[in-house]
Amino acid sequence: DTAVSQTPKYLVTQMGNDKSIKCEQNLGHDTMYWYKQDSKKFLKIMFSYNNKELIINETVPNRFSPKSPDKAHLNLHINSLELGDSAVYFCASSPTARGASQPQHFGDGTRLSIL
Amino acid sequence: GNSVTQMEGPVTLSEEAFLTINCTYTATGYPSLFWYVQYPGEGLQLLLKATKADDKGSNKGFEATYRKETTSFHLEKGSVQVSDSAVYFCALSYTGNQFYFGTGTSLTVIP
Repeated sequence: DTAVSQTPKYLVTQMGNDKSIKCEQNLGHDTMYWYKQDSKKFLKIMFSYNNKELIINETVPNRFSPKSPDKAHLNLHINSLELGDSAVYFCASSPTARGASQPQHFGDGTRLSIL
Repeated sequence: GNSVTQMEGPVTLSEEAFLTINCTYTATGYPSLFWYVQYPGEGLQLLLKATKADDKGSNKGFEATYRKETTSFHLEKGSVQVSDSAVYFCALSYTGNQFYFGTGTSLTVIP
């Protein structure tokens, strides 16, 4: 069983379109994340939710809007897609921190290509 | 603030060579430290971790020791295999809800 699953795996679309990426985790974790990985493999945190509450919101264009309907799901909606949005987007989850020792679990990524 | 600095790659080694990937960190307290591995086309997977000073994390022949005095967590493996070719990320977690990743080091092992 996949612990953190993202859909779709590949997304190819035209500039200016609106698209969504879905993420679900079955690990019972309370915290979920979205990361963007560029072509040089640099990993940048975008958002983090804890029990459906936004706790990390890095400097990301407001065209990106996360939504967490429940603690097992964190979706990412992107409006007016631009060429620079082409990247791999990773969803991750981790348990509630009662210490700093709990690792994150990552999905396999969504490869977004803007034409 | 909190940050992680990794040695830049790419690193290319012959099979059975010794591997070291350097990682140093800056943190205001006592973070947990992690190494993640990303194989081509996949997400990041936890490779090993250490939660306090002098702890040694180990997995699949890889080791890293949490050195508080040098603020380092270098990854080592005595004999690499072709299947170890991947991108390796050093990371720290301070509160458990926020993670700081290094820039990643690409490793290619040639037969």
